[in-house]
This record gives sequence, structure tokens and C-alpha cells, in this order.
Amino acid sequence: EDQVTQSPEALRLQEGESSSLNCSYTVSGLRGLFWYRQDPGKGPEFLFTLYSAGEEKEKERLKATLTKKESFLHITAPKPEDSATYLCAVQAGGGGNKLTFGTGTQLKVEL
Amino acid sequence: DGGITQSPKYLFRKEGQNVTLSCEQNLNHDAMYWYRQDPGQGLRLIYYSQIVNDFQKGDIAEGYSVSREKKESFPLTVTSAQKNPTAFYLCASSMSAKDYEQYFGPGTRLTVT
Repeated sequence: EDQVTQSPEALRLQEGESSSLNCSYTVSGLRGLFWYRQDPGKGPEFLFTLYSAGEEKEKERLKATLTKKESFLHITAPKPEDSATYLCAVQAGGGGNKLTFGTGTQLKVEL
Repeated sequence: DGGITQSPKYLFRKEGQNVTLSCEQNLNHDAMYWYRQDPGQGLRLIYYSQIVNDFQKGDIAEGYSVSREKKESFPLTVTSAQKNPTAFYLCASSMSAKDYEQYFGPGTRLTVT
């Protein structure tokens, strides 16, 4: 069974304090790993797709990386507007288009 | 603007009533999905449709039904058989069944009392 574990569950940072969120996964044949951002009461917003170990993608203060067992979402010099829940999901080979989601990391960035 | 719309944003129903949640997309995507989100749990797949007039059960389809008569629309009915219907429901779409990236609508919060 495919599994996705995100850590920490919650993270509080000061503005400008860089950190990383972790997504560990167990899947039979990874087709893709996805990062989403979700604000309270809203639908997830797509951020990145990573397909193979060693791949990296960046968007503004966010950088996603992928290894064979986990992915990291690095946040550099965060701002209060980066506060949200960050979701990780995986798609397995042979699983059709089904995504398996983690429970998310709730990030709070304070002034 | 292209996107996915869900209505209503909030929905209240009495126990024992069926209720239908709307999902419309103008992205010209072939595939559409319904997820359920509960506190402390990851999103769970209810149903998905890869093409018009075709749909498959996800992990938690019991107590739900769907239809896909038009490419743009994928309504979800929460029936009285669903034991714990109160949740946040999210609709998503992807360009095709082979396209991995799914884009989500704003969600409908359903409360059943």
C-alpha cells in the first residue's frame, strides 16, 4: 500500500528563518511526487511535480527536491504570506491517476 | 479565466437527505476527480472520471454517486447511505488520464446534522 508521511505536522518560523519540510514516501514505482499549498478553507494550489531522484524545482522562495525515499520543500527567507498548509502527494505506477496524499505540514511565519 | 468552480461554498443538510455538489471546469480537461478532506487526514479519493460517460470508484466510494454527462461537469451526490458525510469536498481535474498534475477547485464544506 502506498504511504506518504509528512513532517513536522506544524512548524512556526520567524520571518527570514529558512527551513525545510519533509515528505517520506513508500510507493511501488513512483510516477510523480507533487507539492501543493493549501490556505484555510480553500482548495490546494499546485506548486511542483518531481519525477525522478535528483530532480529539483524552484519557485520564488520555495525549492523542492527528490530522493528515492523522500522529498524536501525548502523555504528560504520565508514571509508571513508563505503561511499555509503544504501537502505532498505521490502517484504510483499502475495506479491510474490516483494520488496518495500526506496529512500536510502547517506552516506559520511570524513577523 | 479558466478554472474549476464548485458550488455552493457551504452546504447544510439534515440527516437522511441526499445532496448534490456541483463541479464545473472550463479548462477543457478530460479527467475529473472528487476528494474528501477531513481534519488530520490526507485527501481521499471518492470517484474519478477519465472521459465523458465513464467513471470509476476511488478508495471511499460507498454512500456516494457521480455522473459525467458533459466534459465540463462532474456532480457528486452524497446519499443518505454515507455514514459520516460532514466534510470538506474537493473537485479536481487534469488534462488527461495520463496527465499527472491535478488542479483543484475551491471546495464545498458540507455539514449534515
